[in-house]
Amino acid sequence: GAGVSQSPSNKVTEKGKDVELRCDPISGHTALYWYRQRLGQGLEFLIYFQGNSAPDKSGLPSDRFSAERTGESVSTLTIQRTQQEDSAVYLCASSSRLRNYNEQFFGPGTRLTVL
Amino acid sequence: AQSVTQPDIHITVSEGASLELRCNYSYGATPYLFWYVQSPGQGLQLLLKYFSGDTLVQGIKGFEAEFKRSQSSFNLRKPSVHWSDAAEYFCAVGAKAAGNKLTFGGGTRVLVKP
Repeated sequence: GAGVSQSPSNKVTEKGKDVELRCDPISGHTALYWYRQRLGQGLEFLIYFQGNSAPDKSGLPSDRFSAERTGESVSTLTIQRTQQEDSAVYLCASSSRLRNYNEQFFGPGTRLTVL
Repeated sequence: AQSVTQPDIHITVSEGASLELRCNYSYGATPYLFWYVQSPGQGLQLLLKYFSGDTLVQGIKGFEAEFKRSQSSFNLRKPSVHWSDAAEYFCAVGAKAAGNKLTFGGGTRVLVKP
């Protein structure tokens, strides 16, 4: 079946603008994660959705960052009033109860550049 | 809190030579451990994982890793590298108690010389 997809693949925006990044998880995967990868660094956890439970937002770096998920499908990560330090690749991953939720499948990422 | 350290930022290896990438983790309980590879322009691909049981795990592309609890390590090895193994490699730790979110190391970039 199809893997995790993300759109857009690239986004260039001006400082102060809002952006929305989209993630389509693998069908049937109830868990969805967002990570950020700054240039030359590892991935940082941002937020985690699991079914209908309240999301784990512990990794969001500021209140300019928010995310939503519709049921067990699409998720949108929104960054308001973007800053240059928000430039990074934003990766989404999903996982399934059948794999004990610990094997995450990653999308190709959205490269965000804030000018 | 869990953490992962990959001490080597860059490693250069000749094609056909062996490769070992180091990973040290910090976590209070038995962790779930992963190695991912990221090739240029590609997404993250899972190489192998350790949940429990046999401490030597085999993965794809001829990679293996050994979990050593006493050393808090999960080093990745390959006996003979191919030019296509040039990529960035990430070690990660996760645990159910932590909501399954992964904590990644900073990565090791592997360059393969002909």
